[in-house]
Formats: sequence, structure tokens, C-alpha cells
Amino acid sequence: DIQMPQSPSSLSASVGDRVTITCRASQGISNHLAWYQQKPGKVPKLLIYAASTLQSGVPSRFSGSGSGTDFTLTISSLQPEDVATYYCQKYNSAPLTFGGGTKVEIK
Amino acid sequence: EVQLVESGGGLVQPGGSLRLSCAASGFTVGSNYMNWVRQAPGKGLEWVSVIYSGGSTYYADSVKGRFAISRDKSKNTLYLQMNSLRPEDTAVYYCGGLNPQQYWGQGTLVTVSS
Repeated sequence: DIQMPQSPSSLSASVGDRVTITCRASQGISNHLAWYQQKPGKVPKLLIYAASTLQSGVPSRFSGSGSGTDFTLTISSLQPEDVATYYCQKYNSAPLTFGGGTKVEIK
Repeated sequence: EVQLVESGGGLVQPGGSLRLSCAASGFTVGSNYMNWVRQAPGKGLEWVSVIYSGGSTYYADSVKGRFAISRDKSKNTLYLQMNSLRPEDTAVYYCGGLNPQQYWGQGTLVTVSS
């Protein structure tokens, strides 16, 4: 099965900082990669699909890139409301594995 | 508006069984990919199972042979039959629609403990 390690597992950044989270598939998955945001105590929310397509209503400070095995989620200017855990997920074929998550906090 | 409402969670002893339900409105269960995803207390998301629109089903290795996903098109409801439950199955179970999962229920807590 394809593994989806994410890095870092946590980070602390200042408001306005550029934040980058990486997800690396152990085998190529084309662009079948999604990113989810889960705020504390809340249900996860789909942010990005097809590696780089923003879900409707998601702020433009979020962006995704990558194809094959290496993927990146970028927050161009971190805001207080972005405090959350972010997960990647492969969805090309089962098992639809999630990454381990990246917890983002404000410094 | 799409709504997914899970039910059926609760406290069960190791080795026991539970059936989770996910009632959908504004969304057709039988025509779409439907998933179960779980989250153990303080842990990350774990994909559990999917049923494709054509009826094919797949499972995570951790639940294969113990859990079964199904759907009732007439009731527009998704199910997860969970047998031979273990303490490590303790989690909030979310149902979800589409692939990737655009729609999420609020989750139902399953606790496996003696």
C-alpha cells in the first residue's frame, strides 16, 4: 500500500508568515491528492483537491502544488483562524490513505 | 443543502458488534462514492472503508474481515457493520460523500471497553 508521510508534524509561525506543509507519496499518484483542514473540536473540511484546485469558498491564501509523489500545501499569509491540523489524502484508489497530519499554531 | 447524520455509536465490550448508520439528505447515497473515516481520541484521521457508486467495496487492513460497508438506496442511508470490536477501534466515526470527501457528517463516538 502507498504511504503518505507528512512533514512537519507540527509548526509554530507568526501571523502573516508563509507556511509550507509537505506530503510525499511512496508511489506516484498523479494529481489525486486532497488537503483537509480540521480546526480544534470541528469536523474536517476539504480545502484542495486534484493537488491544486481550491474548493469553493476557501480563501485564496491557501494553495496546493505537486504531482506524482511530492505535494505541498502553502498558506501565503498565516491568519489566526488558520490554527488547525492539516491532512493530505490520496484518493486515486483504495486504500484512501491520509497523511499523519500537521498541527499549525500561532507563535 | 447536503446533510449527513450518523447514528448508532455507543459503548460496547471487546468482541461485540455495532451497526452505524448515516442518513443523507440533499445527496444520493446510491449514486456516489461514500466513505467511513475514523479518528481515535487525540489522533489523526484514518480512512476505514469506501463503497463506490457501482457497489464495489474496500477496507483498511485494520478492519478487513471485521467491518462491512453497505447502503440502502430506498432509505438513502449508508451503514457500517462492525463486528469483533477491539479497544483500538475506539474513535469518532465520520461518514462522508464523494471522493475526495467533500461532505462530512458530524461523527458518532464508538467506545470499545470492558
